[in-house]
Amino acid sequence: EPEVTQTPSHQVTQMGQEVILRCVPISNHLYFYWYRQILGQKVEFLVSFYNNEISEKSEIFDDQFSVERPDGSNFTLKIRSTKLEDSAMYFCASYRDDETQYFGPGTRLLVL
Amino acid sequence: DAKTTQPTSMDCAEGRAANLPCNHSTISGNEYVYWYRQIHSQGPQYIIHGLKNNETNEMASLIITEDRKSSTLILPHATLRDTAVYYCIVRVGRGADGLTFGKGTHLIIQP
Repeated sequence: EPEVTQTPSHQVTQMGQEVILRCVPISNHLYFYWYRQILGQKVEFLVSFYNNEISEKSEIFDDQFSVERPDGSNFTLKIRSTKLEDSAMYFCASYRDDETQYFGPGTRLLVL
Repeated sequence: DAKTTQPTSMDCAEGRAANLPCNHSTISGNEYVYWYRQIHSQGPQYIIHGLKNNETNEMASLIITEDRKSSTLILPHATLRDTAVYYCIVRVGRGADGLTFGKGTHLIIQP
């Protein structure tokens, strides 16, 4: 069964550093998403991406965040200057017109 | 904010049916009821969805009341691996919008 993959599984970084989280969506999917989950809290939508541009974003997705689909397979989330409060699980998801989003296993980001 | 209300937690004995309720009294006519679950720190996993008819798949059954203001997810023979947080989400079907998760129900399957 096709699945969404994410790398790395864990990342530790220093406050103020840039991080790039990577995702490989399901190959024939057209919509891509990033969500985050701070420890013990709800899963929160960050951004959706379609046709090489952002289609929707939440209030959380400020200028420190950016997304890119650099090639035909990868989908990335960049955090330009990490803050302590960016520590969370980050989930990528992808979707085609079959009514459900499929989520990856997540990247655990720890900002020190 | 999520437009659903779910109990915070529930217990169920292994091998028994787990019945997870969800209230969605403000659901619109074009909104579907979706269920996802999240097993400890893993990515959310799709379970089932429905509009107004009851639905069944290999994982679960979904019972939606006639007025569509509430629904019940049924795991017919719960196993220890079904211990997870279960999320009930209402959304426009076939929509590509981001999902809005609530706090869900923490289902604990007891041996």
